[in-house]
Amino acid sequence: EVQLVESGGGLVQPGRSLRLSCAASGFTFDDYAMHWVRQAPGKGLEWVSGISWNSGDIGYADSVKGRFTISRDNAKNSLYLQMNSLRAEDTALYYCAKDFGSLWYFNHWGQGTLVTVSS
Amino acid sequence: DLQMTQSPYTLSASVGDRVTITCRASQSISTWLAWYQQKTGKAPKLLIYKASNLDSGVPSRFSGSGFGTEFTLTISSLQPDDFATYYCQQYNSYPWTFGQGTKVEIK
Repeated sequence: EVQLVESGGGLVQPGRSLRLSCAASGFTFDDYAMHWVRQAPGKGLEWVSGISWNSGDIGYADSVKGRFTISRDNAKNSLYLQMNSLRAEDTALYYCAKDFGSLWYFNHWGQGTLVTVSS
Repeated sequence: DLQMTQSPYTLSASVGDRVTITCRASQSISTWLAWYQQKTGKAPKLLIYKASNLDSGVPSRFSGSGFGTEFTLTISSLQPDDFATYYCQQYNSYPWTFGQGTKVEIK
């Protein structure tokens, strides 16, 4: 069974940094692209970033480009999101999502970790 | 960026109704489109990929169609478990983008 467990969320002041992690199990992690998708309270879904199986292809939403960095450690079956220069508008539930294959759509999702940016 | 526009924003329907949600892309995406269902407080769930392919375990009352810029998600006979918010998502080009969502409510 595919399991994705996010961690690292919390309350952080504007301008500070936070690193999210996603622990994956139940599938061959290094065979699949992975993504971060977020959802602000009461709002819709927003794709944040995606990374190919070998980290050779990476994409970001315009809203986070230059501030967030996605990475993965295939030896640890883990996905990460380094978030710098956080803003109030980054407040959201951040989901880790497994790709069907190579940067396509999301066929498994974690339960999310909440990031609140506030002073 | 490629914009995805769903309609309607909210839909009120009864059990047994046929329901159709539309998703329009600001430029052609071929059939690189997925549909998700999200219930309150839960993670989204994949329903359909490549515009018309049902994911494993998804009931056959769900169907998808379309090509290019216009797509539809149809529920042939709405069931109590189907009251949720539905999102389309394009994966034709970066950045991946979602529609704003369609909430299906009980009439």
